[in-house]
Amino acid sequence: SQELEQSPQSLIVQEGKNLTINCTSSKTLYGLYWYKQKYGEGLIFLMMLQKGGEEKSHEKITAKLDEKKQQSSLHITASQPSHAGIYLCGADRDAGGTSYGKLTFGQGTILTVHP
Amino acid sequence: GAGVSQSPRYKVAKRGQDVALRCDPISGHVSLFWYQQALGQGPEFLTYFQNEAQLDKSGLPSDRFFAERPEGSVSTLKIQRTQQEDSAVYLCASSYSYQGARKEKLFFGSGTQLSVL
Repeated sequence: SQELEQSPQSLIVQEGKNLTINCTSSKTLYGLYWYKQKYGEGLIFLMMLQKGGEEKSHEKITAKLDEKKQQSSLHITASQPSHAGIYLCGADRDAGGTSYGKLTFGQGTILTVHP
Repeated sequence: GAGVSQSPRYKVAKRGQDVALRCDPISGHVSLFWYQQALGQGPEFLTYFQNEAQLDKSGLPSDRFFAERPEGSVSTLKIQRTQQEDSAVYLCASSYSYQGARKEKLFFGSGTQLSVL
């Protein structure tokens, strides 16, 4: 079984709609990263969440970390075609609170936004 | 450079051939990582360098995989006697952070897509 499960696996929305992607861990989370990937390209950093209850926003994207549920959610408000791509969550397994970047990733959520 | 650079972008190899994939990290970045991404999956950790030292190679799938970073900058991932199951995108990432330091984000390259026929 996957250490990190993302849901849904794929999502198709109409431009302007809101959407949420979830990332659930089977192990303790010490930090959670969200990345976006477009086909044939590398990963683009979106957000890093380190503490339970932490919430960060950038433009129309908001991410939250619920340590108790070992879960993070990524919410996009008023989606645009430019939001289309693969969203990946990556977990930091370092219990010491420091990390050098060895991440475990989920399988990704494919987002399609129709204009 | 402006970002993490990887070459070649695409590599087609016949089964049994050796391949070498290159990564040029962001200048000054201490940490360098190699990840393997199979089709439809998230990246999986292969190995980690802090400067020239390879501190973690727990993700390398077999002894056919070898990585080096001799001068603490450019890194090469070598795969010997390639097999079809080695077909994947190989991603390189670098970071200011290092083992034991404050968390920093990873900067990823565009990857090398390896196809083994």
